Amino acid sequence: AQKITQTQPGMFVQEKEAVTLDCTYDTSDPSYGLFWYKQPSSGEMIFLIYQGSYDQQNATEGRYSLNFQKARKSANLVISASQLGDSAMYFCAMREAINTGTASKLTFGTGTRLQVTL
Amino acid sequence: EAQVTQNPRYLITVTGKKLTVTCSQNMNHEYMSWYRQDPGLGLRQIYYSMNVEVTDKGDVPEGYKVSRKEKRNFPLILESPSPNQTSLYFCASSLRGTGGFRETQYFGPGTRLLVL
Repeated sequence: AQKITQTQPGMFVQEKEAVTLDCTYDTSDPSYGLFWYKQPSSGEMIFLIYQGSYDQQNATEGRYSLNFQKARKSANLVISASQLGDSAMYFCAMREAINTGTASKLTFGTGTRLQVTL
Repeated sequence: EAQVTQNPRYLITVTGKKLTVTCSQNMNHEYMSWYRQDPGLGLRQIYYSMNVEVTDKGDVPEGYKVSRKEKRNFPLILESPSPNQTSLYFCASSLRGTGGFRETQYFGPGTRLLVL
């Protein structure tokens, strides 16, 4: 079974609108962390936001927020007030605590390509 | 400036010609990893290192070697590259720190490799 599933290969959103990128995960570890990365066309991986499995509140970082629903094992990224510069590939990733001793391996989803239009 | 650097950024080579992709970080991170990114597959871990002289296989280690002789450097070696190793490669590092799995991984800019 896939550990991280991103079911939206591509999304379009109009400038200034909000958009939600879906991510579901699968783990039996009670301790884990969820990350979102942005990859623009230039190729670099940019860290956006982190959510811990025991965090009481949903994470927020500026225009990025994470809609964390632990029981449903989902960690959707919400981008508010989209900008043209948000056009990129977005990856959801998970690190399980059992992997802490294995150099913090991140397991990635297949990504969602977001295109922001005028 | 805190960063992970990789060289070269772009490389075209031929089957069987040994190559090395260098990775260096200036953040004194213990953990370093190599990933490859392929369309439709996301990023997959190739090898990782917990500290100097401590390395182990990730999910897709076949055809690759690594070494960690210094804390800051973690080169990826392709002894005999083949076309199926054409990919985008990322080096990443993170602290071992008390945050455990909270510690963010920082990625290098990527190396695009084409094996003919």
